[in-house]
Amino acid sequence: QKEVEQNSGPLSVPEGAIASLNCTYSDRGSQSFFWYRQYSGKSPELIMSIYSNGDKEDGRFTAQLNKASQYVSLLIRDSQPSDSATYLCAVIGNSGYALNFGKGTSLLVTP
Amino acid sequence: DVKVTQSSRYLVKRTGEKVFLECVQDMDHENMFWYRQDPGLGLRLIYFSYDVKMKEKGDIPEGYSVSREKKERFSLILESASTNQTSMYLCASSLGASGNTIYFGEGSWLTVV
Repeated sequence: QKEVEQNSGPLSVPEGAIASLNCTYSDRGSQSFFWYRQYSGKSPELIMSIYSNGDKEDGRFTAQLNKASQYVSLLIRDSQPSDSATYLCAVIGNSGYALNFGKGTSLLVTP
Repeated sequence: DVKVTQSSRYLVKRTGEKVFLECVQDMDHENMFWYRQDPGLGLRLIYFSYDVKMKEKGDIPEGYSVSREKKERFSLILESASTNQTSMYLCASSLGASGNTIYFGEGSWLTVV
C-alpha cells in the first residue's frame, strides 16, 4: 500500500502568521504532487501542483518538494480566517493516473 | 473552467436497493475517477477509467461497479446498497497523460438506511 502521511492537526495559527503543512509519502517513484483545500461539506479544490524538487510559489502559497526525503510541504503566508479548512496532500505515482491522498491536516486561523 | 457535475447531490436509499451515481465532465478528459470520503479514513479510490469502456479497480472496489459508455460520463453503481456504503462520493476527471491535475465534482451524499 502506498502511503501518504499527514499530521491530522488541528494546526492553529493566528491571523497574519505563516502556516506550515507537511506531508510524507512512501512511493519513491512518485512524480506528481498536489495540495487540495477542502472546506467542511465541500469537495476538494486544487491549490497547487508541484513536480520538481524545490519551491513553487503562487500568491500566498508556496509548495516545497524534496524527493530525496520524500517530503512535500505547503506554506501559507499571511494566513486569513478564510484559510481555515482541511488541507489534503495527494500524490500520483510513476505512470499512474489516480491520486493517493493523505487524510488531511485541519488548519484553524484565529482572528 | 473544468466542470465535473454530479447530478445527485443528496440521496437516501434502502438497504438492498440498486443505486446509480452519475457524473459528467465537459472538458473532454480521458480519465475519470470515483472516490469515497469517510471521516478518519480520508479519500479512497473505488474505480477509475482511462478510456471509454475501460475501467480499473481502485483500493476499495468491493460492492461497486462502474460504467463508461461515453467519454464524458462515468457512472458508479451500487448493486445492492448496504449501510456501510453510507458516505460522500466524489467523481473526478483529468486529462489523459499520467500525472495531470485531477478535478473534482461537488460530491454526492448517500445515506443507506
